[in-house]
Amino acid sequence: DQQVKQNSPSLSVQEGRISILNCDYTNSMFDYFLWYKKYPAEGPTFLISISSIKDKNEDGRFTVFLNKSAKHLSLHIVPSQPGDSAVYFCAASWGTSGSRLTFGEGTQLTVNP
Amino acid sequence: NAGVTQTPKFRILKIGQSMTLQCAQDMNHNYMYWYRQDPGMGLKLIYYSVGAGITDKGEVPNGYNVSRSTTEDFPLRLELAAPSQTSVYFCASIVPNTGELFFGEGSRLTVL
Repeated sequence: DQQVKQNSPSLSVQEGRISILNCDYTNSMFDYFLWYKKYPAEGPTFLISISSIKDKNEDGRFTVFLNKSAKHLSLHIVPSQPGDSAVYFCAASWGTSGSRLTFGEGTQLTVNP
Repeated sequence: NAGVTQTPKFRILKIGQSMTLQCAQDMNHNYMYWYRQDPGMGLKLIYYSVGAGITDKGEVPNGYNVSRSTTEDFPLRLELAAPSQTSVYFCASIVPNTGELFFGEGSRLTVL
């Protein structure tokens, strides 16, 4: 039972354009959502998060949108840069304990110069 | 540099062998975790610990054991390695009250 799904295994965009990565979840108990970025041969690093009481959180070029009624969140990267090329994992949790964190399968983003 | 340190980075095991993946963090985090990542899959939680002397199973604990004798160290033990345990293993600790995991660089294990 995959409670967090990233349906696009890969995404390719041009430098300077917007990248939109999508994530769907099924568990209504999730109240905290995070995005992690992973480069090859490195561990994932935290990127941005959003609480279920909000519908948008912005940090520089990165914005996460949450649509609770649709159980959907998205990560927008504007403008995209070649250094953003990485695997992006969506994760969802209820509470802030990592033991309740469920990860999606990941989306490989490639930003072409 | 402060963070989560994992050793070894790479290891090849034969079926039936045992080994321990080491994990240490110097951030004084109470909560620590072991995940595995298989190709095309998200990270699956193996075991976690909320403090020294306390451990609990995650989603995929079979074939593994852990211990937590100190706040800093959280080793993962593989007994009787099987090909299904071929994976990349990540240790992590959590930044208190944030839900944000801080990961090590990973340990790639191959069982032949």
